[in-house]
Amino acid sequence: IQMTQSPSSLSASVGDRVTITCRASQSISRYSNWYQQKPGKAPKLLIYGGTSLQSGVPSRFSGSGSGTNFTLTISSLQPEDFATYYCQETYSTPPTFGGGTKVEIK
Amino acid sequence: QLQLHESGPGLVKPSETLSLTCTVSGGSISGTNYYWAWIRQPPGKGLEWIGSIYYSGSDYYNPSLKSRVTISVDTSKNQFSLKLSAVTAADTAVYYCARTYYYDTSDGRSCFDLWGQGTTVTVSS
Repeated sequence: IQMTQSPSSLSASVGDRVTITCRASQSISRYSNWYQQKPGKAPKLLIYGGTSLQSGVPSRFSGSGSGTNFTLTISSLQPEDFATYYCQETYSTPPTFGGGTKVEIK
Repeated sequence: QLQLHESGPGLVKPSETLSLTCTVSGGSISGTNYYWAWIRQPPGKGLEWIGSIYYSGSDYYNPSLKSRVTISVDTSKNQFSLKLSAVTAADTAVYYCARTYYYDTSDGRSCFDLWGQGTTVTVSS
């Protein structure tokens, strides 16, 4: 299963609402997760099961979607949110990741 | 607080075998809802799942790497290990170990909820 993220990069300002999308090559129900990765660091789980917020993750992050289309939304971008975001599916083996979306400072 | 830590050589020669170990601390590797995974990230690129193992030894691998990969577990040391044979420059990457959490065992939904800090492996002569 291929996961296609868009955009591959975006520029935004602190306080902006940011939306990242991920499209699966076939229906994956809600078998999707979202991760944040900062330079030189390991990825960090943000959202699992399409919509569930991982413990300790700020509520400005939210996930939606099912089937083939998924969205990660940051309601009000904070300075610490500038990073690369990856979607991932676990519907089949191998589990695959999207190509990433780099969120940069405008 | 459970933590994962990768260790192993940072430089491997082409055609040789890459060997890494992940040590789990602050908790047991023998949890019933968890598998233990290796994931890699080539420089400037995205993430690729290599394979996963259960504490009992049940394992599964990425078909693209299956012929070259072996993952093993040592519950007495709370460790699991990766061996990747016949490496080439294309295997140069940051290698992460991660915990696979099956949050819904009825339908197999999972996520990688804890990660090690990663270790860089370069394949070069």
